Amino acid sequence: KAGVTQTPRYLIKTRGQQVTLSCSPISGHRSVSWYQQTPGQGLQFLFEYFSETQRNKGNFPGRFSGRQFSNSRSEMNVSTLELGDSALYLCASTPQLTNTGELFFGEGSRLTVL
Amino acid sequence: AQTVTQSQPEMSVQEAETVTLSCTYDTSESDYYLFWYKQPPSRQMILVIRQEAYKQQNATENRFSVNFQKAAKSFSLKISDSQLGDAAMYFCAYREGSGAGSYQLTFGKGTKLSVIP
Repeated sequence: KAGVTQTPRYLIKTRGQQVTLSCSPISGHRSVSWYQQTPGQGLQFLFEYFSETQRNKGNFPGRFSGRQFSNSRSEMNVSTLELGDSALYLCASTPQLTNTGELFFGEGSRLTVL
Repeated sequence: AQTVTQSQPEMSVQEAETVTLSCTYDTSESDYYLFWYKQPPSRQMILVIRQEAYKQQNATENRFSVNFQKAAKSFSLKISDSQLGDAAMYFCAYREGSGAGSYQLTFGKGTKLSVIP
């Protein structure tokens, strides 16, 4: 079974631009969540989707948005990029069949904002 | 809000020796889960071990075991017979119980483990 796939793996943008990151969960997984990882702040929760509905959202400005499609694939978008948005963005999926809620992570998308 | 604290930013261990990584957390909930995740230099985070708060028995997965002290809100990871492949960032994470309706994890800042040949 293929793992969580994130694209692109690396990207460079300039301030003010916008970016869209994509995540394909493991087949059969219906819940997708996103995390931002930076050296200073560590891993911070962005949002979580289940069956195309945002179930939970972290403390990030409205420039950060996401969505989930009917096939469970998810995208996140960051508009009006700032230097501080440079980070590794991790996507994770879970099968929703167990209460333990183990998350399966992708390798991440490394965003650099210049 | 729940918080997770890992007080050791870096640790090192000799190959074949044992090392313990510390984690404390703060919560007012009684139903929750605790995890240790490993992030090797390739960056993909993988689950090492999981503990349900309602279980008194400490979880064990091969060379990895935890010391779960619920009253003290402590959740340490012990790695026995350390191997070179154990070198990675280790993150302690907390999740509320099933009643929360969310799988959001709260992570600690991580501990970078080096294994010395």
